[in-house]
Amino acid sequence: AQSVTQLDSQVPVFEEAPVELRCNYSSSVSVYLFWYVQYPNQGLQLLLKYLSGSTLVKGINGFEAEFNKSQTSFHLRKPSVHISDTAEYFCAVSGTSSASKIIFGSGTRLSIRP
Amino acid sequence: KAGVTQTPRYLIKTRGQQVTLSCSPISGHRSVSWYQQTPGQGLQFLFEYFSETQRNKGNFPGRFSGRQFSNSRSEMNVSTLELGDSALYLCASSATGGANYGYTFGSGTRLTVV
Repeated sequence: AQSVTQLDSQVPVFEEAPVELRCNYSSSVSVYLFWYVQYPNQGLQLLLKYLSGSTLVKGINGFEAEFNKSQTSFHLRKPSVHISDTAEYFCAVSGTSSASKIIFGSGTRLSIRP
Repeated sequence: KAGVTQTPRYLIKTRGQQVTLSCSPISGHRSVSWYQQTPGQGLQFLFEYFSETQRNKGNFPGRFSGRQFSNSRSEMNVSTLELGDSALYLCASSATGGANYGYTFGSGTRLTVV
């Protein structure tokens, strides 16, 4: 079974500053890793995913994440945030079989201050 | 192409009643997963249907059930509603059910039990 921990429930940051949202996972088997974003009153939207290969994954809206197997982490980063990035961000993990379900972390609320 | 459609968007029910929520996946997608989202528990996996068969099930009581039709549309039913069932119910579809293809989420149905 897999699990995922998002270490920060809220992250406040000033506009145009860099941000890192932390995510650690636990699994006894190979995993796929994801970051999703949820804007108010909406469903979740896929930001990026790690399946295999390069450990640095680039996603939409200027976000990127780095898979670190030894530290079982998949932190999300953006070099310069905008007001429009205000949302809740979810890290997620799944096994690699086609029947695996996606397990989500508890979410990190990113609030951008002007 | 049209996204994942969930109906209704909002629902208010009385404790003890039952409710049925509907999810129409993206055309061609055969897998539909359901999640419950609450402030306290976050996103919790309910079940997944693939080609009309339940392939995965989360740790919810038997009051929560679902089904999938031959056109891949899915419904979930909650019987004997409790106050704690108040939540945002999210549906996600994917082409084959494999997590590597990513899930596309609907906007959710917000259920309030009074």
